[in-house]
Amino acid sequence: EIVLTQSPGTLSLSPGERATLSCRASQSVSSSYLAWYQQKPGQAPRLLIYGASSRATGIPDRFSGSGSGTDFTLTISRLEPEDFAVYSCQQYGRSPYTFGQGTKLEIK
Amino acid sequence: EVQLVQSGAEVKKPGESLKISCKGSGYSFTDYWIGWVRQMPGKGLEWMGIIYPGDSDARYSPSFQGQVTISADKSIGTAYLQWSSLKASDTAMYYCAKGGSWFDPWGQGTLVTVSS
Repeated sequence: EIVLTQSPGTLSLSPGERATLSCRASQSVSSSYLAWYQQKPGQAPRLLIYGASSRATGIPDRFSGSGSGTDFTLTISRLEPEDFAVYSCQQYGRSPYTFGQGTKLEIK
Repeated sequence: EVQLVQSGAEVKKPGESLKISCKGSGYSFTDYWIGWVRQMPGKGLEWMGIIYPGDSDARYSPSFQGQVTISADKSIGTAYLQWSSLKASDTAMYYCAKGGSWFDPWGQGTLVTVSS
C-alpha cells in the first residue's frame, strides 16, 4: 500500500502568515489523485482539495494545493484564526486509499 | 443538501457484536460509493473500505478485511459497518463519508467504546 508521510508533525504560525504543509508518498500517486482535509477538534473532517489542486465547493481561495508524483503541498496563503486545525492528505490512486498521519497547525 | 447522519455512540463489552449505521439524504444514494474511516483516540484517519449501494460491491483495506463487514440497504438509503466480536482495540470514532475516491461530505461520526 502507498504510505503517505506528512511534515511537519506540528506547525506553529501566527495569523496572517503563510503555511506550507507537505505530503510525501512512498510510491507515485497516479493522476494526482490526492486530497486534503481539515479537521477541527470534535468535528468530522472537511474536504479542502481534490485532484491535488482543485478546491472543493465553498473553500476559500487562500487554500491551494500543488504537486504530482510523490510530493504534494497544501498552502494557506494568509492564515485566519479559523484555519488552525489538523490537516490530512489522502491518496486515492491505488487501493487501499490511504491517509497521511496529519499535520497539526497551531497558533504561535 | 447532501447529508450523512450516523447512529449514536455505543458502549460495548469485548466479544459483543455491533452494527452502526449511516443514512444518506439529499442525493441519489444508489449512485455514489460510501466509505468508512476509523480514527482511534488522538490518532490519524484510517481508510477502512467502501461500498457501492447500487449493487453492494464492497472493497476493504487489507488491514480491515475479515475484521469488519460493510453493507448497505438501498431501500432505506443506509450503509452499515458491523463487527461480530469486538475487541478493546476497536475503540475509536468511526466516520462514514460519501465518495469512492475523495470523501465529501462526512457524517458526524459514531464513537464506539469497547471496555469490560
